[in-house]
Amino acid sequence: DSGVTQTPKHLITATGQRVTLRCSPRSGDLSVYWYQQSLDQGLQFLIQYYNGEERAKGNILERFSAQQFPDLHSELNLSSLELGDSALYFCASSVGGALNEKLLFGSGTQLSVL
Amino acid sequence: AQTVTQSQPEMSVQEAETVTLSCTYDTSESDYYLFWYKQPPSRQMILVIRQEAYKQQNATENRFSVNFQKAAKSFSLKISDSQLGDAAMYFCAYRSAQSGTYKYIFGTGTRLKVLA
Repeated sequence: DSGVTQTPKHLITATGQRVTLRCSPRSGDLSVYWYQQSLDQGLQFLIQYYNGEERAKGNILERFSAQQFPDLHSELNLSSLELGDSALYFCASSVGGALNEKLLFGSGTQLSVL
Repeated sequence: AQTVTQSQPEMSVQEAETVTLSCTYDTSESDYYLFWYKQPPSRQMILVIRQEAYKQQNATENRFSVNFQKAAKSFSLKISDSQLGDAAMYFCAYRSAQSGTYKYIFGTGTRLKVLA
């Protein structure tokens, strides 16, 4: 267990629906990254937050949005879902300080759109 | 924009043997960090090894070591004495050290099979 908590672990929904994925970094960690991993694909960067503010944006669709709350947990909202949105969604936090920084990943949320 | 390329979709190795996974990247920057992450069947992403570009010495972590060739923009991972538990997807990743740059860029991965 990395200490980065993602819920739910699995989510099954239908096309056109809206879902919310939740991520809680470890206590004291300020950053949250969201990545999408489609079947047998690499990780695509979606968005990053640091201490409540958006810091970097990747190829995130307009149907997707995210935010980081004052308690530092983050939510990724996916709306008007399509079959192609089925993927493993990872949350990660940047840890280790300036000299040893690395990404610490949660266990992911597997989204299946039927 | 920086890119990371892993040209080997799949590799196989006999148990106890050595295998090398390749990674190349494209960047115009001189200072950055490189990583290898392992994704076993559980799908959890686990850091294997980290390398700073300003360090000439190759990083090692037990049976895992890298061959970092900065001029060639190459960052290969060597796994010695391969074990069945090493079977996984391996992802190479790049992160700029430039101030104000935060995202990690991942390659498409190499699936490693370990044969008993």
